[in-house]
Amino acid sequence: DAKTTQPPSMDCAEGRAANLPCNHSTISGNEYVYWYRQIHSQGPQYIIHGLKNNETNEMASLIITEDRKSSTLILPHATLRDTAVYYCIVRSTKSGGYQKVTFGIGTKLQVIP
Amino acid sequence: DTAVSQTPKYLVTQMGNDKSIKCEQNLGHDTMYWYKQDSKKFLKIMFSYNNKELIINETVPNRFSPKSPDKAHLNLHINSLELGDSAVYFCASSPRGVNTGELFFGEGSRLTVL
Repeated sequence: DAKTTQPPSMDCAEGRAANLPCNHSTISGNEYVYWYRQIHSQGPQYIIHGLKNNETNEMASLIITEDRKSSTLILPHATLRDTAVYYCIVRSTKSGGYQKVTFGIGTKLQVIP
Repeated sequence: DTAVSQTPKYLVTQMGNDKSIKCEQNLGHDTMYWYKQDSKKFLKIMFSYNNKELIINETVPNRFSPKSPDKAHLNLHINSLELGDSAVYFCASSPRGVNTGELFFGEGSRLTVL
């Protein structure tokens, strides 16, 4: 699996956009970038994923650079409920479509009132 | 209407005991997982089953034995519990053979070994 590098922590003012960066310089051509988050004492929650195009859903936007070596997760209007640890993951696939998802340390996002 | 449910949510036990954690998913997914999150918050995959067949075993001690009676259930049995087994154990499921790769996690089972 390609390794990812994220800042250990970030702060964001409530109502502002939270931009969470992730470096994955060793990503290979068929590997997807996934983002999950884990709110305190809960199970991780899938947010979004992408291959090379930018993606948007009801939770967030994912911007992947053209060389695919880094990406940014954007929460457009952060709320206090967005305080969580955010994991950037590059997923490898074994034959047969089995998915091994490996979590790193992640970024602890603190949304401040 | 819980998608991935685990029981019990909390488990406190003595060293040397045997305990089980149950997991059920009602999403119709073929693949289920067990992850362990230790005190340092690292989340590590332990096992994965696909349609009752073991497909991933991440060098977990033999004291840990997953059992999948059907594709909707994946239980984790732990023999001879040790202090280092204290952690939060998460069950997850995902659809097989599709590119989404989304994992749906349960709420976790916090195991404390005294």
